[in-house]
Amino acid sequence: EVQLVASGGGLVQPGGSLRLSCAASGFTFSSYWMHWVRQVPGKGLVWVSRIKSDGSRTSYADSVKGRFTISRDNAKNTLYLQMNSLRAEDAAVYYCARDKGDVVVQTATWYFDLWGRGTLVTVSS
Amino acid sequence: DIVMTQSPDSLAVSLGERATINCKSSQSVLYSSNNKNYLAWYQQRPGQPPKLLIDWASTRESGVPDRFSGSGSGTDFTLTISSLQAEDVAVYFCQQYYSTMITFGQGTRLEIK
Repeated sequence: EVQLVASGGGLVQPGGSLRLSCAASGFTFSSYWMHWVRQVPGKGLVWVSRIKSDGSRTSYADSVKGRFTISRDNAKNTLYLQMNSLRAEDAAVYYCARDKGDVVVQTATWYFDLWGRGTLVTVSS
Repeated sequence: DIVMTQSPDSLAVSLGERATINCKSSQSVLYSSNNKNYLAWYQQRPGQPPKLLIDWASTRESGVPDRFSGSGSGTDFTLTISSLQAEDVAVYFCQQYYSTMITFGQGTRLEIK
């Protein structure tokens, strides 16, 4: 089955750190750009970060730049998001999502054809 | 960043009736070199992650019922559900991918009247 499963969320104090993981299965993970998108429960979607299929390029939303780091291990079919210096406004459900890019020519489209069930991050003292 | 604004914020429609959701972008998402609108629509059912319905403003994803259609160009777009079914209760989001800084609309909650 083609799926993404995010994990690693939890309760963390302001200023703390957390690492999210996203396990991919059922498709050739190493061929796709991947993204993290977050959502405060009951609110809208906010793009957070993306990483190229081979891990050589990354981008971040301004709100997380310098604090979050996206990475991947293609041998383990896993995407990561290292979140440092967490703030109350980072609290959200974090989704990993697959870019609907062209895997043959390795281009990205910046929209998402597969989403994992999210993992909830709570930032509170 | 491109701001995406959806209307209405919520909508109640009777079963079998038409539902229309609008999305407006703060600048055009039509790329002139290929004449494509860089606009997607997603459905998010309660407790679920979003699901891609439509890309390039009007192309339905495989498996999406044909009662869902997308239209519009430039800055103004519409998602139409021609005959509302109970399973269509969800929040619908538009998203622009014209800019590398991806942005979403705030969402439209669709309920049964």
